[in-house]
Amino acid sequence: DQQVKQNSPSLSVQEGRISILNCDYTNSMFDYFLWYKKYPAEGPTFLISISSIKDKNEDGRFTVFLNKSAKHLSLHIVPSQPGDSAVYFCAARRGSTLGRLYFGRGTQLTVWP
Amino acid sequence: SQTIHQWPATLVQPVGSPLSLECTVEGTSNPNLYWYRQAAGRGLQLLFYSVGIGQISSEVPQNLSASRPQDRQFILSSKKLLLSDSGFYLCAWSAVEGTQYFGPGTRLTVL
Repeated sequence: DQQVKQNSPSLSVQEGRISILNCDYTNSMFDYFLWYKKYPAEGPTFLISISSIKDKNEDGRFTVFLNKSAKHLSLHIVPSQPGDSAVYFCAARRGSTLGRLYFGRGTQLTVWP
Repeated sequence: SQTIHQWPATLVQPVGSPLSLECTVEGTSNPNLYWYRQAAGRGLQLLFYSVGIGQISSEVPQNLSASRPQDRQFILSSKKLLLSDSGFYLCAWSAVEGTQYFGPGTRLTVL
């Protein structure tokens, strides 16, 4: 049962424009959400997170938005750069589960010049 | 600062052979430790996690096992590899209920 879903397996964006990666979840008990970025043959690296008490968190070019009523979050990258080309994973956590994360299947972002 | 190591980086093994992948963490004490697998074209599948020495929780029944002989050491093992065990294996650590940080991964090919 996939509790975190990334329905777009791929996204292609021109350099300089906005990239919007989407994520939906089904478990209303999730209280913390994270985005990871992964290059081929490397481990995922943590990008940005958001607590369920917030609806927005910003870090440089990366902003995560959380819509709890819709059980939806999104990652905005502005402006997109070719080096952002990677697989992006959305993850969610319930506070009672000792740090266990539930991951989506990932979205491959390609930023072209 | 904390660092996480995995070895080997790549491994090619015949079907039926044993497996041992090692993960160590530096710069922190009593971390939560995790083993994930990423099969080709798939997401991250949690295999095992550990909240302390000798404490292992298994997420998916399978051909693999995990052990935590020391506080910052996590080992993934198999007695007999299957073709379906091929994939990219990732170790991660977190402080209690914190963000997970991943190692560089091991590419396992079973022939």
